Amino acid sequence: GAVVSQHPSWVICKSGTSVKIECRSLDFQATTMFWYRQFPKQSLMLMATSNEGSKATYEQGVEKDKFLINHASLTLSTLTVTSAHPEDSSFYICSARDPRGSEREKTQYFGPGTRLLVL
Amino acid sequence: GIQVEQSPPDLILQEGANSTLRCNFSDSVNNLQWFHQNPWGQLINLFYIPSGTKQNGRLSATTVATERYSLLYISSSQTTDSGVYFCAVSTGGGNKLTFGTGTQLKVEL
Repeated sequence: GAVVSQHPSWVICKSGTSVKIECRSLDFQATTMFWYRQFPKQSLMLMATSNEGSKATYEQGVEKDKFLINHASLTLSTLTVTSAHPEDSSFYICSARDPRGSEREKTQYFGPGTRLLVL
Repeated sequence: GIQVEQSPPDLILQEGANSTLRCNFSDSVNNLQWFHQNPWGQLINLFYIPSGTKQNGRLSATTVATERYSLLYISSSQTTDSGVYFCAVSTGGGNKLTFGTGTQLKVEL
């Protein structure tokens, strides 16, 4: 199946700093990637849709200036948490759809996630 | 937006037991996936099943799209089946997934 990687797998930073998380599709090209956030004991919430070569589309309530998304190539999307604060501590997960399947196959594949702790 | 509810929220099984997890959704969908989130947080794809029935080893899933629900069957459960099971759906053409509330499964020896 399709493989999606994320880096780093975990990060601890001081309040006020910025953190960049990378999401890569390793064996396929993804024109669209998705970023999710998951708080402990909760479900995943979609933050934004990352489109290669164009601006990301953010879900309601997600600050685009806080969570900067760049999708500069067909295999890489980055999420930058700017001026991070303790309330930004969470588990961030990206996903991508493998377009090589049939049109009816819209399976999304998920990266292993990045745990962010802001002190 | 679409609502996705899963039941039960928590489930404890003895190894070898069978179980059924349910996913109800409030609108028509064109994509439904089942995932297993392991203790390290990795989401593992189980099924892409917007309708019909599929089986993969000890797992099988059935989606009745007209009645807006999906079921995940786990047979002969093992301790490695422990974790959180999510269903996720999308509507329209954007492929954006809305996740359900999840079922926390613990399989004991």
